[in-house]
Amino acid sequence: DVKVTQSSRYLVKRTGEKVFLECVQDMDHENMFWYRQDPGLGLRLIYFSYDVKMKEKGDIPEGYSVSREKKERFSLILESASTNQTSMYLCASSSQLYGYTFGSGTRLTVV
Amino acid sequence: GIQVEQSPPDLILQEGANSTLRCNFSDSVNNLQWFHQNPWGQLINLFYIPSGTKQNGRLSATTVATERYSLLYISSSQTTDSGVYFCAVEPWETSYDKVIFGPGTSLSVIP
Repeated sequence: DVKVTQSSRYLVKRTGEKVFLECVQDMDHENMFWYRQDPGLGLRLIYFSYDVKMKEKGDIPEGYSVSREKKERFSLILESASTNQTSMYLCASSSQLYGYTFGSGTRLTVV
Repeated sequence: GIQVEQSPPDLILQEGANSTLRCNFSDSVNNLQWFHQNPWGQLINLFYIPSGTKQNGRLSATTVATERYSLLYISSSQTTDSGVYFCAVEPWETSYDKVIFGPGTSLSVIP
């Protein structure tokens, strides 16, 4: 089975901190994605990557950056965390054969 | 862009009942996927079904791509089926497997 692992289930950070959310997949997928999910707003795409060191902005990239130094790892970075970035963050990888597989999510609270 | 609608938005079932969830989309798609988001927030891949019918235990799904809809059937529902069900479509002209999520159907199964 494809496995997508997010490093933390729950995270509490202070306003202004630099925050790293890590995501690792074990199926050699080229495409990886970061979403955030908020009540009433659904899943919104922040960034995605289609290859090592390649990245594309999604629908809401402001305040975020990403890093993909190795194929299996896709990191989301909050340069200076703000309270409006409190959310559920979901990482996924995809293949043409099986579609999307999501990690278990990280609930981030910025205080 | 493509529009994705799901119905009903909310559903309450008695344990043991059957249900049908619907996903309509406004344009041609390469692929369609059904997910279950459990109460802990994880999105579980149920079906990857661009067309035809698939079954997995008590769940089955049918996609009629020419008529732009997909149905998810849940039979003999259990309390563990509670959560939100999302469909996600990959538009015909998309790149890098990007998908559009529907707004979801929130299902509560009561004992």
